[in-house]
Amino acid sequence: EVQLVESGGGLVQPGGSLRLSCAASGFSFSIYWMHWVRQAPGKGLVWVSRIKSDGSSTNYADSVQGRFTISRDNAKNTLYLQMNSLRAEDTAIYYCANLLQGYWGQGTLVTVSS
Amino acid sequence: QSVLTQPPSVSGAPGQRITLSCTGGSSNIGAGYDVHWYQQLPGTAPKLLIFGNRNRPSGVPDRFSGSKSGASASLAISGLQAEDEADYYCQSYDSSLSGYVFGTGTKVTVL
Repeated sequence: EVQLVESGGGLVQPGGSLRLSCAASGFSFSIYWMHWVRQAPGKGLVWVSRIKSDGSSTNYADSVQGRFTISRDNAKNTLYLQMNSLRAEDTAIYYCANLLQGYWGQGTLVTVSS
Repeated sequence: QSVLTQPPSVSGAPGQRITLSCTGGSSNIGAGYDVHWYQQLPGTAPKLLIFGNRNRPSGVPDRFSGSKSGASASLAISGLQAEDEADYYCQSYDSSLSGYVFGTGTKVTVL
């Protein structure tokens, strides 16, 4: 059974940092590009970032470029998202996803508020 | 500010056929990039409904069908059922943004 389990969300003050993790199982994690997608409360889906299977290439949405860093540990089948300089508009549910195969996690909520 | 535009809402009676549109541009759908469709039930993660413009993953009923023409794509739902009430999103790749893009989303209501 395919599972993507995100963790690390929570309440953080503006300007703060948070690191999300996504533990993958049930598919060959190390051969697929992986993505982070977010959804603000009551809003639509927004692609955030992606990382190549071997971690050698990354891309970011303009809204997070320079503040967020995506990474992965294929030995641990885990995807990460380091989020710095957080803003109120970063408040959202963050999903990790294997978009090619259509696998999504259940999401983890990040709330940026003072 | 999504680059893929969808109607905010579409409704239909049980058993009816409805069509959801997804309009892009020359740097995404019109450039030949594939369109994928997701269904999101309230409080749950998105579920892949259509991949590669018209292909259904195993387990997705054949009531759902996708098509693409030019810079637009469509999702048709035939034999509408109450369980189809959900938000639907299209998704593609945009070369000018060097990233993936989702549509604005359509809320389907079964009357």
